[in-house]
Parts: sequence; C-alpha cells; structure tokens
Amino acid sequence: GENVEQHPSTLSVQEGDSAVIKCTYSDSASNYFPWYKQELGKGPQLIIDIRSNVGEKKDQRIAVTLNKTAKHFSLHITETQPEDSAVYFCAASQAGTALIFGKGTTLSVSS
Amino acid sequence: DTEVTQTPKHLVMGMTNKKSLKCEQHMGHRAMYWYKQKAKKPPELMFVYSYEKLSINESVPSRFSPECPNSSLLNLHLHALQPEDSALYLCASSQSLVTDTQYFGPGTRLTVL
Repeated sequence: GENVEQHPSTLSVQEGDSAVIKCTYSDSASNYFPWYKQELGKGPQLIIDIRSNVGEKKDQRIAVTLNKTAKHFSLHITETQPEDSAVYFCAASQAGTALIFGKGTTLSVSS
Repeated sequence: DTEVTQTPKHLVMGMTNKKSLKCEQHMGHRAMYWYKQKAKKPPELMFVYSYEKLSINESVPSRFSPECPNSSLLNLHLHALQPEDSALYLCASSQSLVTDTQYFGPGTRLTVL
C-alpha cells in the first residue's frame, strides 16, 4: 500500500523567511496530493492541493510542486507570518481510496 | 461554503457510558468519513460512507458504531470505550469517493475515564 514520508518533523523560521516541507510517496498510482494545516484544538484545514497532471500550483504565499518521476512533492510558504505557525500534513491518494497522511511538520514562525 | 460541523466539541465519558458524536454537512457531498487523531499524530481513517452506505471499515472495534441517517448527517455511537480511545474524533466529507478533496470538521475531543 501507499506510504508517505514527511520531512522535517519540526521547522523553525523567522518571520518573513520562506519555509519548505517535503513529502515522498511510494505508490506511483497516487494522483492526488493535498496539504492540510492544523492549528491547536482545530480540525485540519485544506490549504492547497495538486493533481498528478500538474507540476506546480500557487495560491498567494503558498505553492506546491510535484515531481512524479521522483515521487515527491513539496509545500513552499513565502514571507512567513506568526499565524502560519501550525502542524502541516501532506497526504496522497488515488480516486476512491483513502488519504494516506505523512506524520506532520510542526512549523514555528517567530517574530 | 466548505463547512463541516461536529457536536459536541468536548465529551467526557466513563467506560460504561453510551454516547454519540454527530457530524453534519450541507455541501451536497455524498461521501463522509470518520477519523481518529491522537496527539501529535496524523488522522487515522476509521469509516467511510458513500451514498449513505458503509464503504470502508478500517477494522475498527465494535465499540465504535457508525450510522449515516441521511446524506447530510453522520453519527458515531460509542459504547464501552477504553481510556486508550481518548482522542480527537474528526469528521470529513467529499463530493464523492471518486472526487478526492476532503473537508474536515473541527473535531470532538473525547476523554474516556
């Protein structure tokens, strides 16, 4: 079955810096890759997703890149702000199958 | 609107109690999910309903009993739980099983004494 590895497990940056979180997946049939942000005491919030027919997607300060050959995808956050501090989860799936999550990255942005 | 609501926010129950968690969405989604999340871990899938029928049961103990009364509602009935069942229980929905984008609710924080 699918396995998703996520790195790093913790990431500390200064406000205004960029942050990059990387995930690798094992099943080449996976074709959908969402990223979720989870703040303390809340449910995961979808922040961006990408499908396997696209190499990069941007939404304001957030971007996701996908390398199907290498089976990895990354989340890029530019101009980080303290409110970006949260746990970020990547996930992978195929249509009709369960989301397989990475173990999460705790991002801390200090001002 | 991509809102999934869950009640209650917090629940404390004894090992002999029976309680229920409720989840609701009004996005017209036909797939609904229950996840369990322990502290500092990713969500773990428990059950999936598609068109109000149970599609996936990830070998969850029978003390957890899901129910989907209609396309907008999903319940999780709890009975004879153990302290290790204490966790955040998350509900999610998606347009269908084929369409992958899942939207999560805020969760119910369950404590079993």
